[in-house]
Amino acid sequence: EAQVTQNPRYLITVTGKKLTVTCSQNMNHEYMSWYRQDPGLGLRQIYYSMNVEVTDKGDVPEGYKVSRKEKRNFPLILESPSPNQTSLYFCASSLVDRVGYEQFFGPGTRLTVL
Amino acid sequence: KQEVTQIPAALSVPEGENLVLNCSFTDSAIYNLQWFRQDPGKGLTSLLLIQSSQREQTSGRLNASLDKSSGRSTLYIAASQPGDSATYLCAVKPNTNAGKSTFGDGTTLTVKP
Repeated sequence: EAQVTQNPRYLITVTGKKLTVTCSQNMNHEYMSWYRQDPGLGLRQIYYSMNVEVTDKGDVPEGYKVSRKEKRNFPLILESPSPNQTSLYFCASSLVDRVGYEQFFGPGTRLTVL
Repeated sequence: KQEVTQIPAALSVPEGENLVLNCSFTDSAIYNLQWFRQDPGKGLTSLLLIQSSQREQTSGRLNASLDKSSGRSTLYIAASQPGDSATYLCAVKPNTNAGKSTFGDGTTLTVKP
């Protein structure tokens, strides 16, 4: 089944404890992206990657890191999480072609930072 | 900076009604516009993707239109059903950088039996 998977789905952690949220897709998509969703603020883009070894900042990259060493994986790293990073996180992927950039989303990771 | 607005924020209709959801964007230089559905606590499901050169797309009871010059898109849902109850989001990509996406805040639709 074609899908975007995220792990973990739920995570409660404490301030300053480094964590990684994994994202993997099995559709051979070049493009991948991370978003966070907050009440009243909607979905905001954190980072995106057009292909392996190519990453760029979205609208809210502060406090996050990403890497794209393999086409299928795009992990989101919080080096020193803070309570304002408590949010619902989504990973998405798409092909980069002339039909262009129809994004498919993962199920989400609900992160709570105490 | 691109801003995407969806009005109304919430909509309640009786089953069977045809309805229109609106999405407005401030910068008409877009690459594409995509409509999504989100059920409570779930991820986003892609409904329709309209390229900047297209005027509309259809899938089943759904029809999405795009008017770039006026900065508007509409999602038309025919013969609504209780199972259509969800939040509907639109997102645009700029033609200067198709890697970026800007989302609207969504319209929460409730279809009453």
